[in-house]
Parts: sequence; structure tokens; C-alpha cells
Amino acid sequence: VIWMTQSPSLLSASTGDRVTISCRMSQGISSYLAWYQQKPGKAPELLIYAASTLQSGVPSRFSGSGSGTDFTLTISCLQSEDFATYYCQQYYSFPRTFGQGTKVEIK
Amino acid sequence: QVQLQESGPGLVKPSETLSLTCTVSGGSISSYYWSWIRQPPGKGLEWIGYIYYSGSTNYNPSLKSRVTISVDTSKNQFSLKLSSVTAADTAVYYCARHLWSGKEDKNWFDPWGQGTLVTVSS
Repeated sequence: VIWMTQSPSLLSASTGDRVTISCRMSQGISSYLAWYQQKPGKAPELLIYAASTLQSGVPSRFSGSGSGTDFTLTISCLQSEDFATYYCQQYYSFPRTFGQGTKVEIK
Repeated sequence: QVQLQESGPGLVKPSETLSLTCTVSGGSISSYYWSWIRQPPGKGLEWIGYIYYSGSTNYNPSLKSRVTISVDTSKNQFSLKLSSVTAADTAVYYCARHLWSGKEDKNWFDPWGQGTLVTVSS
């Protein structure tokens, strides 16, 4: 099983801020990583796959980087609609596993 | 575009079997992998297992002894059965499609159904 450590678990930020979320793997996964955004009461939505490929329709202020064991999700200029919880997920091996989540809240 | 909708009882008694169905609309269930994922209230996401349209399956070892996923291609549906449930199985259950580019076994989840809350209680 590949364990994932996502940090921070809670991030307080203001509109316009640049925010960074980290996801670290217990073993290397190449670039087989996805990021999802989840708003309260809603299903997760895909933001990024292959560590850095933006899903169609996702604003360009979102970006992903990393490979191997260390990955980062960056929101370059936080908008009001970005306050949500973010999850990383590895798809290198089964069982598929998710990070614990990072809640981005209004400061 | 493809849409997924979960359905099934919202309340299940302890020790009984949880049964859910995911109906796929706007596209065919064929040629894809389909998963069940759950989220206990206020907690993170746990992958339960997948089924390929042909019927092959792969389950999370943590749940493998209690899980059965099946597919009905004629109805464009796939289903989850989780036996011997306890309060720890209370969660929102999501169904999702796998997508990939390149290697078929390297796939992520998109789209997801809206989710259905299942409570285990007597």
C-alpha cells in the first residue's frame, strides 16, 4: 500500500493569495498523481492528472508539479470559489489511495 | 457527457448487507473501469474497488472479504454489495469512472456521481 502525507491539513488564506499544498508518497509513483477539489456536500472534481496536466475547463491559476515522491498543487491567485478541500490521489498501484485532504478556508 | 447516479437504501442495520447501484447515462459502460469510493462524514476518501465492463474486479484488501462489485451492461449499471456492515461503514458512497491516457492500468477518477449517504444503525 502506498501511503500519502498531505500538508497542511488546514490552510487559511485570503482572496488573491498564492497557496501551495504538498503531497508526499511513501514510495515513488513516477507522475501517476491526480488532484481533486471537493466543496461541501458535493462530489470531488478532477483538477489535475499526470501530476501536472490540467483537466479541461479548470482555470489556469491551478497548477501541479512534482514526480517520484513529492508533489505540489499551487493556486496562483486564490478566488472565492476556490475555498474548498483538496485531495491528492495516486494511481501508480492498487489499492488506490488518497491524501488526507487540505481544507482551504477564508482567513 | 457521462453522468453517474448512485441509488439504494439510505439506512442499513448492523450485520446486514449494504447494496447500491450506479446508473451510467450519456455514454456506454463498455470499455471502461468503474469504481466505488466512500467518505465517512467529515473524513477522507477510501477506494473500495473497481469492476471492468467485462466483469473483472479488484478490491481494496481492507474490505475485500466483505465486498462484491458486479456489472449489468444491458442496464448500463454496476453495483456494490458490502456485507456484515457496522457503524464504521457509515459514509457517503460515490461511484466513479476511470480515465487514462497511455497505460490502461494507470487511471484516475472522472467523473464522479453525486454520492449517496448510507447510515448503518439499528
